[in-house]
Amino acid sequence: EVQLVQSGAEVKKPGESLKISCKVSGYSFTSYWIGWVRQMPGKGLEWMGIIYPSDSNIKYSPSFQGQVTISADKSINTAYLQWGSLEASDTAIYYCARLRYTYSADYWGQGTPVTVSS
Amino acid sequence: QSALTQPASVSGSPGQSITISCTGTSSDVGGYNYVSWYQQHPGKAPKLVIYDISNRPSGVSDRFSGSKSGNTASLTISGLQAEDEADYYCGSYTSSTTLEVFGTGTKVTVL
Repeated sequence: EVQLVQSGAEVKKPGESLKISCKVSGYSFTSYWIGWVRQMPGKGLEWMGIIYPSDSNIKYSPSFQGQVTISADKSINTAYLQWGSLEASDTAIYYCARLRYTYSADYWGQGTPVTVSS
Repeated sequence: QSALTQPASVSGSPGQSITISCTGTSSDVGGYNYVSWYQQHPGKAPKLVIYDISNRPSGVSDRFSGSKSGNTASLTISGLQAEDEADYYCGSYTSSTTLEVFGTGTKVTVL
C-alpha cells in the first residue's frame, strides 16, 4: 500500500526556519517525482515544486523559486520542504504528493499545517 | 503561470448530473492530454478522480467522467450523491513551467 506520511503541525514565529518532511512507503521512492503543494487558508491549491529523488533533479514553480528549498534523502525514503526565514504569509497547509509520469498527483500525504505568527 | 479558470460554484439535486468546466490555453489544457481532476472534502487532502483527461484511478466511481475540447476540459458527475459535495480542482501540465498548474477550484453543492 502506497503511503505518504507527513510530519506534524508547526507553530513558528516570523524569521524562524523550518523543515517539514514526507516519508513514503509502498513503492520505489526513486522511481517517481514527488512534489509539494501549498493551500493557504480558504484558498486553492498551488504547486510549489517537485523533485526526482533518484538524481535530486528539482523543478520549482516560479512563484516559489528562491523562497523554499526542496530536497530528498533516498536512504530513508523521505522528501523535505524547508524555509530559511518564515513570514506570516507562509501560514498554510502543505501537502506532499507522488506524481504519475503524466504529472497528475495520484497519492497524497495528510498535510502539514504551518502557522507563522508573532 | 496563471491558474486555470473554473466556475466558483456548481450545484445540483441528488440523482442529477453536473458538469464543471476548466479553461486554459494552448500552452496547457489545449496542448496536452494531461488534464486531471481532484476532489477535496473539507479538512482532507485532495484525491485524484480523473487523470489524462478521462481515465479513472482504481476505486473511483464510474459516475465521474472527463473530457476535453480545445482549451476547455470538463468533469461530469452523474447520479449526484450527497458524498460528492466537495471542492473540485482541475490540473494540467503546462509548458510554461513544465509542472502541473491547478484550476481556481469549484465548490459543488448537493441541494
